Amino acid sequence: TQLLEQSPQFLSIQEGENLTVYCNSSSVFSSLQWYRQEPGEGPVLLVTVVTGGEVKKLKRLTFQFGDARKDSSLHITAAQPGDTGLYLCAGVTSNTGKLIFGQGTTLQVKP
Amino acid sequence: KAGVTQTPRYLIKTRGQQVTLSCSPISGHRSVSWYQQTPGQGLQFLFEYFSETQRNKGNFPGRFSGRQFSNSRSEMNVSTLELGDSALYLCASSLDHRGTAYEQYFGPGTRLTVT
Repeated sequence: TQLLEQSPQFLSIQEGENLTVYCNSSSVFSSLQWYRQEPGEGPVLLVTVVTGGEVKKLKRLTFQFGDARKDSSLHITAAQPGDTGLYLCAGVTSNTGKLIFGQGTTLQVKP
Repeated sequence: KAGVTQTPRYLIKTRGQQVTLSCSPISGHRSVSWYQQTPGQGLQFLFEYFSETQRNKGNFPGRFSGRQFSNSRSEMNVSTLELGDSALYLCASSLDHRGTAYEQYFGPGTRLTVT
């Protein structure tokens, strides 16, 4: 079974702190996506990374794809309450072409 | 462009009943996928349709079925509802299931409660 493991599962921090969420697998991915989901809504695509070692920045969010394309990280600088939500990583496996989702990281940023 | 729409947004059903959920994808998107999301299991893939054909299927019992119409709109049906079917059902559309990206654009979901 191909799995995408996210860590941590839950994170509660104060406004202004930095944090990193990890997404790891033993499988190789042709691409990897990060989504954010707010309560009562569907996930919203934040970014797609396709090249090993790729780094993408979206304002205070930095996304990195591992060199071997088996892992990814999301780093948030100076977190704000508006960053609160469920963060999901999802990868397209190189061998099957299927999209699989991680279990998600619930982030709470307290003012 | 209008986003993915799902109807109804909320639904309460009784055990043993059946339910049909509807999804309209983003214009031009031919791939529609359905997911079940629960606090305990996270986001679980149900099935994917592309050009009216089921291309992929997750590990759900046969009570869960779906279809896609020629205009790419999709429906999913759950028969003989069980309490454990209570969940947020999400529909997502994509330009094409092939290729490296396969980016999903999600609707707001249908919250199903089975009593």
